[in-house]
Amino acid sequence: DIQMTQSPSSLSASVGDRVTITCRASQSISSYLNWYQQKPGKAPKLLIYAASSLQSGVPSRFSGSGSGTDFTLTISSLQPEDFATYYCQQSYSTPLAAFGPGTKVDIK
Amino acid sequence: QVQLQESGPGLVKPSQTLSLTCTVSGGSISSGSYYWSWIRQPAGKGLEWIGRIYTSGSTNYNPSLKSRVTISVDTSKNQFSLKLSSVTAADTAVYYCARVGYYYGSGSYVDYFDYWGQGTLVTVSS
Repeated sequence: DIQMTQSPSSLSASVGDRVTITCRASQSISSYLNWYQQKPGKAPKLLIYAASSLQSGVPSRFSGSGSGTDFTLTISSLQPEDFATYYCQQSYSTPLAAFGPGTKVDIK
Repeated sequence: QVQLQESGPGLVKPSQTLSLTCTVSGGSISSGSYYWSWIRQPAGKGLEWIGRIYTSGSTNYNPSLKSRVTISVDTSKNQFSLKLSSVTAADTAVYYCARVGYYYGSGSYVDYFDYWGQGTLVTVSS
């Protein structure tokens, strides 16, 4: 099975900060990597698919990059509504979807 | 705009069967080449994919749950359903239904969960 890890597990940041979250796969998954944002009590929301494609309606301050085993989600200028938990998900081994453990972004 | 809504009992006794239904609105469950999925999340923990179904009835399940899971679809009602048997406290979680969207690029498909229900908490307790 492909294992997904994320770092850091949590971070504190201020509004306006540039934030980078890393996701790593235990083996190459090409660009089969998606990113989600989840706020407390809400369902996850798709942000990025295929490693770097921005989902419709998602602000352009979110971007994704990477391929193979190492991926990053970047928020160029953190906004108050961005405080949430972020999950990566690999779809290389579809139909078996596997999520990373999550990165919680909170207010500094 | 596609919308999904989970429904079902919020409390299930140990050893019994958990049953949930997801109602799709804003479009036909049969339109487009989409799979429909169930995902769960224990309190304070990460996301676990349970399984998915195509409108033809073709299914895929997480191997860790396969022996206990059945997903079915009723296209006439625009619904798909989850049954999880022999539940224990470890099955207590928020259960989400989701659509599996896809992107075709560079000669292959990448799939992802693009529409989600709001989630429903199922507690397993006597």
